[in-house]
Amino acid sequence: DAGITQSPRHKVTETGTPVTLRCHQTENHRYMYWYRQDPGHGLRLIHYSYGVKDTDKGEVSDGYSVSRSKTEDFLLTLESATSSQTSVYFCAISGGLAGSSYEQYFGPGTRLTVT
Amino acid sequence: GQQVMQIPQYQHVQEGEDFTTYCNSSTTLSNIQWYKQRPGGHPVFLIQLVKSGEVKKQKRLTFQFGEAKKNSSLHITATQTTDVGTYFCAGPGGQNFVFGPGTRLSVLP
Repeated sequence: DAGITQSPRHKVTETGTPVTLRCHQTENHRYMYWYRQDPGHGLRLIHYSYGVKDTDKGEVSDGYSVSRSKTEDFLLTLESATSSQTSVYFCAISGGLAGSSYEQYFGPGTRLTVT
Repeated sequence: GQQVMQIPQYQHVQEGEDFTTYCNSSTTLSNIQWYKQRPGGHPVFLIQLVKSGEVKKQKRLTFQFGEAKKNSSLHITATQTTDVGTYFCAGPGGQNFVFGPGTRLSVLP
């Protein structure tokens, strides 16, 4: 498996609290992604990064922000968690853009429950 | 925007039976990728198809890319309990990947 770790692996938090999830890679890949996975919806892109300090929104970005201050770290923040953000969050990395035939490597995931 | 659909959503098979999942895109794709996610695990890259009509095999798994590059299929011959999981297809959507909702395969021993 590619060198990707996510922390925490599990978290339970209350509605309205801020939450930060961390993704760390040791592969020196330029592209990093945050997805959420919910039953029946597959993997939906939240935000992605194409370099240090370079990020952009994905399909379901409302309520989320990201930061990437180093190549190896990509942080996902829920400013004020809501129950609809209860999900499994996956980080992924890639050596290139989707259209240039690079595959994605996924982290182990973080299971977040918002009560 | 681009949509990627997969059918069926679920498939239950007896061990030894064959299994096929189909992936359809609303737009022509430059390539298509397949991933497998075991229960409780994370998606793992299986293969990428690039050429129109391309067929690739990995042991009991056969992957096909349609002639129009808008659809793809994954066929598993003689399923085993180790094949259990959800199979996703993914295609480029702008700069990123768009994943299908997946097909969940259950294999009864």
